[in-house]
Amino acid sequence: GAVVSQHPSWVICKSGTSVKIECRSLDFQATTMFWYRQFPKQSLMLMATSNEGSKATYEQGVEKDKFLINHASLTLSTLTVTSAHPEDSSFYICSAASQGAGANVLTFGAGSRLTVL
Amino acid sequence: RKEVEQDPGPFNVPEGATVAFNCTYSNSASQSFFWYRQDCRKEPKLLMSVYSSGNEDGRFTAQLNRASQYISLLIRDSKLSDSATYLCVVNDRYTGNQFYFGTGTSLTVIP
Repeated sequence: GAVVSQHPSWVICKSGTSVKIECRSLDFQATTMFWYRQFPKQSLMLMATSNEGSKATYEQGVEKDKFLINHASLTLSTLTVTSAHPEDSSFYICSAASQGAGANVLTFGAGSRLTVL
Repeated sequence: RKEVEQDPGPFNVPEGATVAFNCTYSNSASQSFFWYRQDCRKEPKLLMSVYSSGNEDGRFTAQLNRASQYISLLIRDSKLSDSATYLCVVNDRYTGNQFYFGTGTSLTVIP
């Protein structure tokens, strides 16, 4: 089945630094990837849709200058949290759609847990 | 109105019980429907796709009602390991290939 790899799994950083998270589709090409954030005991929140070769589409309320998304190839999308602050501490998850049996199926990366001190 | 709505629960059921979750969607043109399972502090994983004719996988049965725009998940003979959050996901690939999520339904199976 489709596999999505996300790295790093855990990251702890100081306030004000930038953190890059990578999302790779290992055995399929993904023109579109999705980035989510999930706070404890809350539901997944879509942050942005990453489009290969073009600008990402951000959800309302998500700052595009703070959460930089780059989708330079058909198998890699990156999310950079710039000038991270403690309130950015969260579980960040990416996903990509692959062709299943007559439908697109969403596969998730294992997530990246960010803690900003 | 949200694209996909789910009862967040929590559902607390004893082992061996049968439990059912429903999920409604607002876009009648939606084509694909899924149930995902998310364990605490983990990513969601596909539990099963939902087909028009309904489908079963062991103790799990998923059904789609297009006329009423809802999908359901039935879990029979609940196990402790079924405790998780169950997410309803709806796909509309003709309008930007968007996937819409419910907020998830929390299930705890009690010994």
